[in-house]
Amino acid sequence: DTAVSQTPKYLVTQMGNDKSIKCEQNLGHDTMYWYKQDSKKFLKIMFSYNNKELIINETVPNRFSPKSPDKAHLNLHINSLELGDSAVYFCASSQGLGGASYGYTFGSGTRLTVV
Amino acid sequence: QKEVEQNSGPLSVPEGAIASLNCTYSDRGSQSFFWYRQYSGKSPELIMSIYSNGDKEDGRFTAQLNKASQYVSLLIRDSQPSDSATYLCAVNMYSGGGADGLTFGKGTHLIIQP
Repeated sequence: DTAVSQTPKYLVTQMGNDKSIKCEQNLGHDTMYWYKQDSKKFLKIMFSYNNKELIINETVPNRFSPKSPDKAHLNLHINSLELGDSAVYFCASSQGLGGASYGYTFGSGTRLTVV
Repeated sequence: QKEVEQNSGPLSVPEGAIASLNCTYSDRGSQSFFWYRQYSGKSPELIMSIYSNGDKEDGRFTAQLNKASQYVSLLIRDSQPSDSATYLCAVNMYSGGGADGLTFGKGTHLIIQP
């Protein structure tokens, strides 16, 4: 019974396409995140939602748009994909803001390759 | 600029020895500190958390925190080949009244030599 699940696990697409990544958590956490991990393994926060409210919106291109229909789901839609968007995207969840008490639980990641 | 610094390695340690991983952070107001382990192609996995100055032990792992020096470390005793992975230091940095999520270091690649 997966705690934080992401789909798809792999995504290969052409430049200019629009794609979505979905994330669901069954831990009852109230905060969810999107992180991007580049080829050098650096994990950088993109967005954070707390109870469906956008809390963190780091400097990412506005081609990236998160949506949280409820506190158990956080999706990421990417328009006009570019080569530089190729990375692994991780969804994570925590109880409370910032994972202050217990850290994060990560999903298994979505490896996005733009060709 | 909020930063978490780690030596990227690779750090090579013989099997059975103690592996020592270090991390410094820029925000003096940081409250919570975490170590994650990430195997190649896998997601980060939380292995230790620490919130107060001093040492915290869990099995073969010991986390050490020194807030005055803005320094966190992770010791792995009796290192095993299965400990070979990238270790990510993460810090919860607050600004104003809100939480900014975890800021991660770039990770230290640890290799345990049989």
